[in-house]
Amino acid sequence: DAKTTQPPSMDCAEGRAANLPCNHSTISGNEYVYWYRQIHSQGPQYIIHGLKNNETNEMASLIITEDRKSSTLILPHATLRDTAVYYCIVKGYGQNFVFGPGTRLSVLP
Amino acid sequence: DSGVTQTPKHLITATGQRVTLRCSPRSGDLSVYWYQQSLDQGLQFLIHYYNGEERAKGNILERFSAQQFPDLHSELNLSSLELGDSALYFCASSVGQENTEAFFGQGTRLTVV
Repeated sequence: DAKTTQPPSMDCAEGRAANLPCNHSTISGNEYVYWYRQIHSQGPQYIIHGLKNNETNEMASLIITEDRKSSTLILPHATLRDTAVYYCIVKGYGQNFVFGPGTRLSVLP
Repeated sequence: DSGVTQTPKHLITATGQRVTLRCSPRSGDLSVYWYQQSLDQGLQFLIHYYNGEERAKGNILERFSAQQFPDLHSELNLSSLELGDSALYFCASSVGQENTEAFFGQGTRLTVV
């Protein structure tokens, strides 16, 4: 079973920041938080991952709370092409990527 | 382009048949994962290979089997196919078992008629 809880769906206006929350209250100290997205039926696309510090790359920012029990993925300027299902995954060494139902993000014009 | 190649992209076959799906991981990646995604279900983990050895099994049916070859490519064999096996099958690869990201291929869409 997935170790994370995400809202089933969210809307965001084009050009605005999309903030996608994820709860992982049972995360262990050596487990990382990963984010993937799946656009339509394409293969899941890696976005970002982190352990406890906030991370940023060209696609997004990942904010992890100090107690590590939740995190937020931020897409700073959402476009229509960011419409997808976003998956938050908690994974440790030697474990597998377990996908939950994710959040269906709709970016609206 | 993730660098993970899956062939074929589409496959249509009859019930009772056997098919082989192929995955070429990114250069240098030792781990290969297989996932199944049906219409009414999410991404289900099937099996994980690391450097030729099976490391973990998920919800993989006994009719399904996989292997990873010395050149690190992997094959997923599906036999005695049933209508319910129609799904997208994804392969992913990562460097190893460390906390690094995995990259997914574009999948093979299997239709059993």
